[in-house]
Amino acid sequence: QKEVEQDPGPLSVPEGAIVSLNCTYSNSAFQYFMWYRQYSRKGPELLMYTYSSGNKEDGRFTAQVDKSSKYISLFIRDSQPSDSATYLCAMKRTGNTPLVFGKGTRLSVIA
Amino acid sequence: DAGVTQSPTHLIKTRGQQVTLRCSPKSGHDTVSWYQQALGQGPQFIFQYYEEEERQRGNFPDRFSGHQFPNYSSELNVNALLLGDSALYLCASSPDPNEKLFFGSGTQLSVL
Repeated sequence: QKEVEQDPGPLSVPEGAIVSLNCTYSNSAFQYFMWYRQYSRKGPELLMYTYSSGNKEDGRFTAQVDKSSKYISLFIRDSQPSDSATYLCAMKRTGNTPLVFGKGTRLSVIA
Repeated sequence: DAGVTQSPTHLIKTRGQQVTLRCSPKSGHDTVSWYQQALGQGPQFIFQYYEEEERQRGNFPDRFSGHQFPNYSSELNVNALLLGDSALYLCASSPDPNEKLFFGSGTQLSVL
């Protein structure tokens, strides 16, 4: 079993839809949870950064962490064609430890 | 303020050759990490440099080596290239080893 599981998609939605992206993980030591957006042939861009359980909102983006279920989510409201990208979840333990990434979910928002 | 810059953007090599990739961290950042991203996969951690020393290493063979210079820039060297080394190599920097990572656009390496 991989430490971080993420459905690679692809996921295709109409413009204006609410998008839900998810990851599960097996290592209960993970404390920091991130979502990165990666456009084609570009490096990952940090979207959301959360510590432990709870919700965090930033504009159209909401990140949720449920440590009891080992499940994290990213919601995108009022999705736009410019949101079309691959979304990577990532997580790490406390201290100087490396990020562990999911495979990424490829999202297409159709105008 | 320039972000993380990497060079070259693309590189084509043949099996058995050696390659050097370069990275300049974001201004104010002293920690550099390298990741390998194969097609359709998430990035995999190679190693981290801080204060010119390798601080952590992922599950990569000794063919992968690196260096950090006094100005915090870094190099990734890969010897005896294999076809399976074809990937996007990402450099990320942070203001200290425990902080958020900011990635560059990567170097696309193709091994033929």
